[in-house]
Amino acid sequence: GENVEQHPSTLSVQEGDSAVIKCTYSDSASNYFPWYKQELGKRPQLIIDIRSNVGEKKDQRIAVTLNKTAKHFSLHITETQPEDSAVYFCAASMTDSWGKFQFGAGTQVVVTP
Amino acid sequence: NAGVTQTPKFRILKIGQSMTLQCTQDMNHNYMYWYRQDPGMGLKLIYYSVGAGITDKGEVPNGYNVSRSTTEDFPLRLELAAPSQTSVYFCASSYSGGSDNEQFFGPGTRLTVL
Repeated sequence: GENVEQHPSTLSVQEGDSAVIKCTYSDSASNYFPWYKQELGKRPQLIIDIRSNVGEKKDQRIAVTLNKTAKHFSLHITETQPEDSAVYFCAASMTDSWGKFQFGAGTQVVVTP
Repeated sequence: NAGVTQTPKFRILKIGQSMTLQCTQDMNHNYMYWYRQDPGMGLKLIYYSVGAGITDKGEVPNGYNVSRSTTEDFPLRLELAAPSQTSVYFCASSYSGGSDNEQFFGPGTRLTVL
């Protein structure tokens, strides 16, 4: 089955700097890659996603890039702010998988003033 | 819309006790999922359902059971609770099981088994 690895497990950045989280996946049939943000004690919420027919997608300060050949995708957060502090999860899914996601283990991002 | 709701928010069980975690969604979603999240870990799929009357095992189904008698409800049953089942449980739903549909999560149930 699909296996998703996520790095780093923790990331500390100064406010205003950029943060990058990388995920690799094993199954070349995966074609949908969402990113979820989970604030402390809260539920995961989708922040951005990318499909396999697109190489990059941007939404204000966050962007996701996908390299299908290398089977990895990354989340980029620019101009980080304290409210970006959270755990971020990547996931991968494929057609005919009944919408099941394989999640990465998560990255704890801490933005320090 | 309330979205995905879960009850209870917190629960402490003794070893060997049983309980049902409730999950309801009002978005008319066909697909529903149960995950567990252990401290510092990602989300592991326990069971999922593609519609009323249809359920299937996920990655970590042992010790759990589910049912789906209606589109709205997807309860998770724990029989003979064990300390290894201490975790936060999230229910999620999506409109269909297409590979590119957002999953909406409930607020979670924090379960401790002592």
